[in-house]
Amino acid sequence: QVQLVESGGGVVQPGRSLRLSCAASGFTFNNYGMHWVRQAPGKGLEWVAVISRDGSDAYYETSVKGRFTISRDNPRNTLYLQMNSLRAEDTAVYYCARDRPYDGSVWGQGTMVTVSP
Amino acid sequence: DIVVTQSPDSLAVSLGERATINCKTSQSVLYSSNNKNYLTWYQQKPGQPPKLLIYWASTRESGVPDRFSGSGSGTDFALTISSLQAEDVAVYYCQQHYTTLTWTFGQGTKVEIK
Repeated sequence: QVQLVESGGGVVQPGRSLRLSCAASGFTFNNYGMHWVRQAPGKGLEWVAVISRDGSDAYYETSVKGRFTISRDNPRNTLYLQMNSLRAEDTAVYYCARDRPYDGSVWGQGTMVTVSP
Repeated sequence: DIVVTQSPDSLAVSLGERATINCKTSQSVLYSSNNKNYLTWYQQKPGQPPKLLIYWASTRESGVPDRFSGSGSGTDFALTISSLQAEDVAVYYCQQHYTTLTWTFGQGTKVEIK
């Protein structure tokens, strides 16, 4: 079935790095742009980044620009989020999601990132 | 950037009564070439990812109960639950995807039982 599975979350100290992965299955991965969306504890949804189908274009939310890098490996059907210089305010559940919700919304279950000394 | 603002922040409605959530975008999300509003509604329950309810502002996703409906065009939109059920207690978000590849969410509206 159509599925996204995130991994790579954990507890990390401020200033350190972490890389999240999102494994896609059940659909043609390279037909879709892919997003990362995060949700801080008790807060709303915040869009983080997007990458185009072929990886040639990427856009970022202002607070992560220059620190986070979104990438994808189409042959491996995998999306990534490299997070550097992490801050306490980056603590959140990170979801990957497929673009074009009108084609059928697909979200992962999320992976928790905690930035703490 | 398109700003998306929902109102109210929270809403308490009696079982069987109507609940309406409003969503306003800072610029039109109506794409003239296909006459579609790039506005989506999600429902989120604790510990779960968002679930798509409505896309194109008013098209109900398959399997979503018909008590959920979306309306509006341009910059002003609404999600209505015609007869609130206990299982509808959740946080609801509107989202614009008019801007190429980028998304913006409203701040969310928490719906509770009165």
